[in-house]
Amino acid sequence: DVKVTQSSRYLVKRTGEKVFLECVQDMDHENMFWYRQDPGLGLRLIYFSYDVKMKEKGDIPEGYSVSREKKERFSLILESASTNQTSMYLCASSLDKFGTGMTDTQYFGPGTRLTVL
Amino acid sequence: GQQVMQIPQYQHVQEGEDFTTYCNSSTTLSNIQWYKQRPGGHPVFLIQLVKSGEVKKQKRLTFQFGEAKKNSSLHITATQTTDVGTYFCAGPNSGTYKYIFGTGTRLKVLA
Repeated sequence: DVKVTQSSRYLVKRTGEKVFLECVQDMDHENMFWYRQDPGLGLRLIYFSYDVKMKEKGDIPEGYSVSREKKERFSLILESASTNQTSMYLCASSLDKFGTGMTDTQYFGPGTRLTVL
Repeated sequence: GQQVMQIPQYQHVQEGEDFTTYCNSSTTLSNIQWYKQRPGGHPVFLIQLVKSGEVKKQKRLTFQFGEAKKNSSLHITATQTTDVGTYFCAGPNSGTYKYIFGTGTRLKVLA
């Protein structure tokens, strides 16, 4: 079974703090994703990575950065947390089937509920 | 840009009633996936549809992919309390690794 773990289930930070959210997957997946989930807005893609040290912006990258130094680990960084970044953050991973016309299943972590005061 | 919309946003049903959620994309999709998220949980993959007009069944759940590959539906027959959760569709952004998720339909089943 694929396992995707996230460093914290709940996190409370203050405005202006630097925040690190960590995600680790154990199935050697090439692709990793960070989403945020807000009521009524569904899942919105922040950043994704298709290989080590490779990253691409998603739909809402402003205020976030990412790091992927190792294949199994994908970190989301809030350089200076703001109250509008209070949300549920979900990490996901998938196998690489790019070029085959098939999108592979995404496996999600349990999520981190971040509150910025 | 590409958009994926779902309706309804919320649905309350009595246990035993049927339920349907609809997913509409602004562009043609090569395939579509459905996920279920239980309250307090994370999205879990249910199924993927690839062919135009495809219909797949999982016990009481029936998934359809439209002929034009721009819409899809999930129908649950005789809902049970275990069906409670939010159902999301997701379509790939052509030529990228990006997934566009629908806004989700939150199902509540009243016993």
